[in-house]
Amino acid sequence: NAGVTQTPKFQVLKTGQSMTLQCAQDMNHNSMYWYRQDPGMGLRLIYYSASEGTTDKGEVPNGYNVSRLNKREFSLRLESAAPSQTSVYFCASSAGLAADTQYFGPGTRLTVL
Amino acid sequence: SQQGEEDPQALSIQEGENATMNCSYKTSINNLQWYRQNSGRGLVHLILIRSNEREKHSGRLRVTLDTSKKSSSLLITASRAADTASYFCATDNYGQNFVFGPGTRLSVLP
Repeated sequence: NAGVTQTPKFQVLKTGQSMTLQCAQDMNHNSMYWYRQDPGMGLRLIYYSASEGTTDKGEVPNGYNVSRLNKREFSLRLESAAPSQTSVYFCASSAGLAADTQYFGPGTRLTVL
Repeated sequence: SQQGEEDPQALSIQEGENATMNCSYKTSINNLQWYRQNSGRGLVHLILIRSNEREKHSGRLRVTLDTSKKSSSLLITASRAADTASYFCATDNYGQNFVFGPGTRLSVLP
């Protein structure tokens, strides 16, 4: 039972490049989330998926797209990376929306040069 | 805009002492949760307190919630070096999503 897994762990991009961050959970959770964490700050919600087949914008969605591929997987795509997107990205899942405990992955540290 | 704001931003104590950190929020909430983040790791859930609860305990953790003051506190008793981490409160805006505060960095010195 791995919980929430994220790949890759580290990534360096050049401005304008694209990439997809992968997230998978094996807890049969309905809801999944993508957050970013900048130094000295809390987590900010980028996108979330309340259930398979639905996605919604969070606080900071600009520059990102998401896909809820199936119940297990929720990917985050940067179409044209910018230095302002340098951050640590966390995926999380919960049984239901919001009121439930969220379980976090280990994070992806992304640097955009 | 962030719903929860932890206070203090950083706290340094000796092993065995108690650590108290506070969280203030702005709008009505359904529940409030506390999470811990060890350096370079993901967040780990500690405790959830619902809006109709005033106090909750879990091992060495004690959480209080005062909805009239829109504030919560997390008390860690008899702290250990392993408690060194950042602590975040997260508020649930009635099913919309969680909003995390910037966190309190706790250092427990041996």
